[in-house]
Amino acid sequence: AQKVTQAQTEISVVEKEDVTLDCVYETRDTTYYLFWYKQPPSGELVFLIRRNSFDEQNEISGRYSWNFQKSTSSFNFTITASQVVDSAVYFCALIGNNAGNMLTFGGGTRLMVKP
Amino acid sequence: DAMVIQNPRYQVTQFGKPVTLSCSQTLNHNVMYWYQQKSSQAPKLLFHYYDKDFNNEADTPDNFQSRRPNTSFCFLDIRSPGLGDAAMYLCATSSSQGAIFNGYTFGSGTRLTVV
Repeated sequence: AQKVTQAQTEISVVEKEDVTLDCVYETRDTTYYLFWYKQPPSGELVFLIRRNSFDEQNEISGRYSWNFQKSTSSFNFTITASQVVDSAVYFCALIGNNAGNMLTFGGGTRLMVKP
Repeated sequence: DAMVIQNPRYQVTQFGKPVTLSCSQTLNHNVMYWYQQKSSQAPKLLFHYYDKDFNNEADTPDNFQSRRPNTSFCFLDIRSPGLGDAAMYLCATSSSQGAIFNGYTFGSGTRLTVV
């Protein structure tokens, strides 16, 4: 069975603050993929990143960075110098190699960035 | 650009009146999915097509049906919408070639209101 836990249901920060969204996952598969999606108020799911289980390198893309640690089964997402446009719900998700390509979502974290 | 298109973006239907949501893709992906997302919740998989093979989730109500007449199109039919079926409906596609997973692509969603 697969499970993704996003313990933070809601986070509120002031613009320009850094913020980290936590994601912890469970899977029995040795090969799996982890994702982060952003869902703005308009509702579409915007793909942010995909990471496979064999690649533990951290990644940085502009103000976004991701910290993947297999030892703690975590895939945390940090936004540096947050902006109002970052306000959205963020979902962490997982697909295991033996899960038939079924995507398992975490419960989501609502991020509110105040000016 | 290759993409997943959902029509309409917003749909209002009457209680009990059948409604169809549509999804089309230009990616030539062999797998298509329908997710239901209620307010403040994560997307929930209703069913998916692996090529022409239909796969229903165990807890998807019988009120929800799907058709996939060809690779490019997939429809979600709600036979008798209830107030509890008001939600965002997300279509997604993926391409699966053996053990190689090429990721999910989501459409922009259809927000269904039942009056």
